[in-house]
Amino acid sequence: GQNIDQPTEMTATEGAIVQINCTYQTSGFNGLFWYQQHAGEAPTFLSYNVLDGLEEKGRFSSFLSRSKGYSYLLLKELQMKDSASYLCAVRDHGYGGSQGNLIFGKGTKLSVKP
Amino acid sequence: DSGVTQTPKHLITATGQRVTLRCSPRSGDLSVYWYQQSLDQGLQFLIQYYNGEERAKGNILERFSAQQFPDLHSELNLSSLELGDSALYFCASSHPGAGTDTQYFGPGTRLTVL
Repeated sequence: GQNIDQPTEMTATEGAIVQINCTYQTSGFNGLFWYQQHAGEAPTFLSYNVLDGLEEKGRFSSFLSRSKGYSYLLLKELQMKDSASYLCAVRDHGYGGSQGNLIFGKGTKLSVKP
Repeated sequence: DSGVTQTPKHLITATGQRVTLRCSPRSGDLSVYWYQQSLDQGLQFLIQYYNGEERAKGNILERFSAQQFPDLHSELNLSSLELGDSALYFCASSHPGAGTDTQYFGPGTRLTVL
């Protein structure tokens, strides 16, 4: 089966650091993605990991351990505009030249307080 | 702006009706994916097309169908609508072989079935 778990809600303070964890058990693995989604809007791409280790992109970093089925998204210097849902997604294998579809967790709603 | 367009933005209809949602992928992208997002569920993968051919099917009901046309735009047809079909419907597109082949999401169509 396909299972992706992440906390439902988190709260953090402006200027702080927050880590959002994601664990997965999927039949295929072809990369892990993090997306940000503000309420009623489209998900926007944040980061991608396919090999173990840390990927850093400005205030956002993402880590992957394939052997543990585990990833986290680290947000530094939190700003009020970072209040949003953060979606962890595993990409399945595709074929015939195309990549696979994304299997999403239910998302973590992050609230940043002043 | 992701470059993916979806029309209409909002759709209100009655139970038993049929609607068509339209998606135009980013220029050069060959893959189109459809996702459904309802309040109590995360993003659920429905179906994927690659260069006009169906490539993967997720939790898509038999009342729903889709196609991708020669100009690569895609349509999702929803028929015999039920109250539970009320949701946000997103399409995403990607370009195979382009780096991470990230999926970029359109703004979505909010469907309300009364």
